[in-house]
Amino acid sequence: KAGVTQTPRYLIKTRGQQVTLSCSPISGHRSVSWYQQTPGQGLQFLFEYFSETQRNKGNFPGRFSGRQFSNSRSEMNVSTLELGDSALYLCASSENTGELFFGEGSRLTVL
Amino acid sequence: DQQVKQNSPSLSVQEGRISILNCDYTNSMFDYFLWYKKYPAEGPTFLISISSIKDKNEDGRFTVFLNKSAKHLSLHIVPSQPGDSAVYFCAASTSGGYNKLIFGAGTRLAVHP
Repeated sequence: KAGVTQTPRYLIKTRGQQVTLSCSPISGHRSVSWYQQTPGQGLQFLFEYFSETQRNKGNFPGRFSGRQFSNSRSEMNVSTLELGDSALYLCASSENTGELFFGEGSRLTVL
Repeated sequence: DQQVKQNSPSLSVQEGRISILNCDYTNSMFDYFLWYKKYPAEGPTFLISISSIKDKNEDGRFTVFLNKSAKHLSLHIVPSQPGDSAVYFCAASTSGGYNKLIFGAGTRLAVHP
């Protein structure tokens, strides 16, 4: 089975711009969740989608949004980028067992 | 409010010895705990998990211990190998939390020959 695929792997944006990150889960996995990793903060939960519905949401501002398509692929969007949004964004898929399979992440740098 | 804490940012162990990584949590509703390992430039990979109905779970060289009264869990790696050098994250979730994991800040393990 192919693993979780995230695109793009690296990107650079400037403050005020918006960005869309994409995630293709492992085939058959209907749950996709997103995490933000910054130095010293560990991984912080952004949101989780299951069968195209947002099932859980973390404590992030409304500038962070996501969606899931009928083929379980997911996108997350960050609008009006701030310097503090620079991070590694990780997507994880699951068969709803609590065990997550992570992609390699999309590293976003905001200048 | 850090609900999952890994108070040791780093740990150095000699090859062949035991590595013990610790994790504390504050939310008594957590009932499922996991350990993930992360190498640079890669996503975290699942290592081992434990349900709150157990106090120990083993998988090869890895054992996780759970002390619910102390709200503490630990990961033991025996024997430690240089390939185990990575950042280890402790994570917790609640029933109904689905796949919302609360992670600790991680402990960087270095296993030296």
